[in-house]
Amino acid sequence: ETGVTQSPTHLIKTRGQQVTLRCSSQSGHNTVSWYQQALGQGPQFIFQYYREEENGRGNFPPRFSGLQFPNYSSELNVNALELDDSALYLCASSLEGRGSNTEAFFGQGTRLTVV
Amino acid sequence: AQSVSQHNHHVILSEAASLELGCNYSYGGTVNLFWYVQYPGQHLQLLLKYFSGDPLVKGIKGFEAEFIKSKFSFNLRNPSVQWSDTAEYFCVVCVLNSGFQKLVFGTGTRLLVSP
Repeated sequence: ETGVTQSPTHLIKTRGQQVTLRCSSQSGHNTVSWYQQALGQGPQFIFQYYREEENGRGNFPPRFSGLQFPNYSSELNVNALELDDSALYLCASSLEGRGSNTEAFFGQGTRLTVV
Repeated sequence: AQSVSQHNHHVILSEAASLELGCNYSYGGTVNLFWYVQYPGQHLQLLLKYFSGDPLVKGIKGFEAEFIKSKFSFNLRNPSVQWSDTAEYFCVVCVLNSGFQKLVFGTGTRLLVSP
């Protein structure tokens, strides 16, 4: 158990629809990062939220967006779903700040299937 | 762009055999290095980490890794694997990127240990 929880665990959506995935970070952590893990690949960095603001983004289009709330939980939103968005979406929480060496704790992920 | 290369995609060993998984990364700056493990049906969890100091780091369950800066390598070793070590192993580099830290994953190595 990492203290990072994600919901839902599985989800099936139709191409063109929108989806929201949720993540509760570990107590005391102020940073949430989202990753996409396609089948047979390592996780790819989508973006990171720190104190309710996006402070870094990977190579993903703008239809991938997110939010972080005052309690540091987070949402990942994907609009206009495409078949290639089918993947395991992982949330990782960490404690960021000047001088901190970060260790990320991962949730179990949300398996999204787009049909 | 930063990248992480894992040399073996699938490894099959018998119990008590020795293991070495190769990992090389491409990034010229200061890095933090990790090995994460994902047991079947479980979330990603930290196996060991290197931030600074002794380049030989020890993790859980007899695993260790050696950071060789000149070779940009962080190979994982275990002198005697157990059936319970069957899992997927990811070499991960944490890079500082314009004020935020992101994890760059290798493609993973699936280890199967036969009893």
